[in-house]
Amino acid sequence: GDSVTQMEGPVTLSEEAFLTINCTYTATGYPSLFWYVQYPGEGLQLLLKATKADDKGSNKGFEATYRKETTSFHLEKGSVQVSDSAVYFCALSGTASKLTFGTGTRLQVTL
Amino acid sequence: DTAVSQTPKYLVTQMGNDKSIKCEQNLGHDTMYWYKQDSKKFLKIMFSYNNKELIINETVPNRFSPKSPDKAHLNLHINSLELGDSAVYFCASSQSPGQGAGYTFGSGTRLTVV
Repeated sequence: GDSVTQMEGPVTLSEEAFLTINCTYTATGYPSLFWYVQYPGEGLQLLLKATKADDKGSNKGFEATYRKETTSFHLEKGSVQVSDSAVYFCALSGTASKLTFGTGTRLQVTL
Repeated sequence: DTAVSQTPKYLVTQMGNDKSIKCEQNLGHDTMYWYKQDSKKFLKIMFSYNNKELIINETVPNRFSPKSPDKAHLNLHINSLELGDSAVYFCASSQSPGQGAGYTFGSGTRLTVV
């Protein structure tokens, strides 16, 4: 079945540092890929998505590129802020008509 | 206007009780979902309805019963609550159940069984 593997957290960075959160997936066919963000005490918000190979999703300075050859969708941001502290979820939507999530990666950004 | 709203936000109840969580979406979406998030933040789908029809029913105890009176509402009833049911339950909706459809999530219902 479909699955998503994310790097374990927590990830602790200083403000303005470069962020990478790794995500790889297993799926049949050509899934759509997503990153969601969950701020403390809130629901999940869609951060960005990509629906086909080599697509780049971007939003709020975050980017991720759909790499079919490496089955990856790594999240990056060039300069993180304290306000980016949250839990980030990689997810895929495949043939099963549902979103399958990774385990989430907690990001803590300090001054 | 809140796009996907859940009530209640917090629910504390004793073992053995029966409780319901309600969800409503005003986005005009056809598909709604219930997800369970455990204490380690892991998210697992429980149910999905498309136009009031059940399309996903994962391995969930039959004490959990979803009901969709119309495509804007999806409620979750839980019988005989157990300690292990303590979690945050999220409702979500999407335009369709197909690929590429991003989900809109509610803010969650934190259920604590004591």
